[in-house]
Amino acid sequence: ELKVEQNPLFLSMQEGKNYTIYCNYSTTSDRLYWYRQDPGKSLESLFVLLSNGAVKQEGRLMASLDTKARLSTLHITAAVHDLSATYFCACRGDKLIFGTGTRLQVFP
Amino acid sequence: DTAVSQTPKYLVTQMGNDKSIKCEQNLGHDTMYWYKQDSKKFLKIMFSYNNKELIINETVPNRFSPKSPDKAHLNLHINSLELGDSAVYFCASSQAGTGYNQPQHFGDGTRLSIL
Repeated sequence: ELKVEQNPLFLSMQEGKNYTIYCNYSTTSDRLYWYRQDPGKSLESLFVLLSNGAVKQEGRLMASLDTKARLSTLHITAAVHDLSATYFCACRGDKLIFGTGTRLQVFP
Repeated sequence: DTAVSQTPKYLVTQMGNDKSIKCEQNLGHDTMYWYKQDSKKFLKIMFSYNNKELIINETVPNRFSPKSPDKAHLNLHINSLELGDSAVYFCASSQAGTGYNQPQHFGDGTRLSIL
């Protein structure tokens, strides 16, 4: 059964700093999604990664996919407070399996 | 225009009661889902319907019964509610076929609290 693990679970970082969230999955898949969830809110799609080596960027966030390593990363550049949220990766087999989520808090 | 809408947003009820959550999408998608998010924010699929047909039915107590009257609606009925049912329930939709790889669109969630 497909399993998806994220780390870290919690991330507290200072504004202006860089950091990476990691997403490992257990079986072959070439469909990887990143979502953002603000407290008490819905899930918002950030990135869709569909092939090995795929890289997508939006503002201060950049996501990549390495299907051979079964690893996706979400890199945060020069963090700002507005990025504070919970970030989920999700991997698609016969259904969408979500990672445990990374709760990101950016402080001044 | 709300793409995926759920009602109610909040549901507070007593153990043993029966309740329903409704979901509607206006995106023209043909696949709809129910997810449960627990207190630790862990998100897990419960059911999936494609064109009114059940295609995913996870290990969920049979007290939970989804119903899809048409491809734009997927409702969730829960019988004999238990304390462990307290969670946030999300409805989502996506497109099959050429839109298969596109992300799922989520509703705002229904926060169910069992007293």
